[in-house]
Amino acid sequence: DAGVTQSPTHLIKTRGQQVTLRCSPKSGHDTVSWYQQALGQGPQFIFQYYEEEERQRGNFPDRFSGHQFPNYSSELNVNALLLGDSALYLCASSPDLGWATGELFFGEGSRLTVL
Amino acid sequence: RKEVEQDPGPFNVPEGATVAFNCTYSNSASQSFFWYRQDCRKEPKLLMSVYSSGNEDGRFTAQLNRASQYISLLIRDSKLSDSATYLCVVGSTGTASKLTFGTGTRLQVTL
Repeated sequence: DAGVTQSPTHLIKTRGQQVTLRCSPKSGHDTVSWYQQALGQGPQFIFQYYEEEERQRGNFPDRFSGHQFPNYSSELNVNALLLGDSALYLCASSPDLGWATGELFFGEGSRLTVL
Repeated sequence: RKEVEQDPGPFNVPEGATVAFNCTYSNSASQSFFWYRQDCRKEPKLLMSVYSSGNEDGRFTAQLNRASQYISLLIRDSKLSDSATYLCVVGSTGTASKLTFGTGTRLQVTL
């Protein structure tokens, strides 16, 4: 049973560019959350998708957008990249109500460097 | 004020020592509480849930004090393999069903 898979694992972009990160959730999970983890910090909640809709959103600008597909996989898009967007982007899948059970399974992340 | 606050450490302890981590949260409506473990350059993984009655899993004991909005994790008989960052996590529902992570507390267990 494959866990959460993310791609790409590493990427380098320059300021002003756009990036798309991809995530396939764990089998049986229908909820996907995206987190940004800067060096030395805990994961910061970006947004959560359920049934192809953005259900919750953290304190991130509109440059951060996402999508969930019918097979529950998800994409995170970041436009007009800034140096401060350099971070590890973690995708986490859970069954619905994963917030209550802590059943949040993370992928290994996509490490984005913005130059 | 951050939603979840932890002492970032690092905590440097010898093998066999007992170490305790604390965490406070600001949202009194929070309903679920967890400790996650994150190894260097790896993804976070659930270590244990935290209940008001307290719960134990081997050498690990977690406690929750709702009145003080305080969570703790106690590790007894520390092992080298316990070296990691421990993330305090709080779950909330309503209009914001999500898990909120603290900054993490780094533990280094030494010989």
